Order: sequence, then C-alpha cells, then structure tokens
Amino acid sequence: DAGVIQSPRHEVTEMGQEVTLRCKPISGHDYLFWYRQTMMRGLELLIYFNNNVPIDDSGMPEDRFSAKMPNASFSTLKIQPSEPRDSAVYFCASSPPRGGRETQYFGPGTRLLVL
Amino acid sequence: GNSVTQMEGPVTLSEEAFLTINCTYTATGYPSLFWYVQYPGEGLQLLLKATKADDKGSNKGFEATYRKETTSFHLEKGSVQVSDSAVYFCALTPRDDKIIFGKGTRLHILP
Repeated sequence: DAGVIQSPRHEVTEMGQEVTLRCKPISGHDYLFWYRQTMMRGLELLIYFNNNVPIDDSGMPEDRFSAKMPNASFSTLKIQPSEPRDSAVYFCASSPPRGGRETQYFGPGTRLLVL
Repeated sequence: GNSVTQMEGPVTLSEEAFLTINCTYTATGYPSLFWYVQYPGEGLQLLLKATKADDKGSNKGFEATYRKETTSFHLEKGSVQVSDSAVYFCALTPRDDKIIFGKGTRLHILP
C-alpha cells in the first residue's frame, strides 16, 4: 500500500485566500484524523471521522476551518479565508477499525505558509 | 481528564549513551499506551505500544513498560545512534477513539 497520501506537500498563499488540503487514507481504514503541528502549540487534533462521518470537531479553531469526507478514500480540510496564524504543518492520519486503540498511520504532511 | 506529560527537550546525548525519556499519564479506565517518533520532515510513525499493565513494548532497540502503579511509560534504549535523532511523542488512547499525544521530546545524538 502507498500509505496515507497528502497533497499538496507545500503551499504558500496570501492572507485571505482559500486553501484546500487533501488526503487519501489507507484502503480499508475507516478512521481519518486531521492534525495541525506548530512549534508553539505542538500537535493538535482538529477533527476526526469514522466511516466518513465527523465524530469530533472540537479541535477545529474557528468557522474559517471546515473538513469533509465525501467517501472512504478522500478527505479535504479547507481554510477560508486563510490568515498568517494558520501557518503550520497539517497532517492526515488513518487507522483501522477500533480507531484510536490501533496504530495511526500518518501522511507526510502539508506545510502551509500564509503570507 | 486524560493527559500525557513527557519530559521537555531537547535531550542531547553522545552516540552509544543510554537513553531515558520519561512519560507519565492520567487516564480513566485502562488506556493503551504508545510511543511515536517523528523524523525530520516526516509524519509521525508508531515506534512501540502496550495495551495492558506490565506489558513491554519494544522495537528497534527501544522499549517501554506499562506501569499502572506509577502511571508511567518511560522510553529507554541502551545505546543510541545518530540516526535516532528525532522527536518522540508519548500517547494514550482512553476508551474512546481519540489518541492523546504529549508535547514531544526532541532528541539530538552527537557522533
């Protein structure tokens, strides 16, 4: 298997622009997690899905952030409008049935810079 | 609530030194415990895990024992290498689906 695939790997954009991050989980995994990592705040869980349904979005910073999972093989995290404080590395991870008690497999991340 | 506390870094050691990274946790019930490692420019990957008290997880020369009496899961390695330089995250899963990560400990190994 190719592992968790994220695109783009790097994104540079200007404040106010819309940013869309994409994730393809490992086939057969029914949990998908979105994380944000910064030096100041460390690793933060933003939202996670089970069988394409959002289970907990309490980590989503504000209404500018939204996430969807239209099918088992694709998820997006959208920021609109983007702000400089959104600059971070965003990771997608997936895990097999039983969710968090199983190993999470992380993608390589998308490094976002908002100018 | 559920939380993980791990020693702050950076930790700097010479090659072949003994490594300990402390991790303690607070949790209700009987969580599973994990160590994840993040190499530069990469996502996190599982290093080892333990699912019940007194279990020992081990991988690549690293090991950690699930100590319920001291609520600890310290990471150890007998002889570190330069290639072990990375950020190490202790984590736990309580009864629900989320995994709770510690803040990470950066490890530098000098040749």
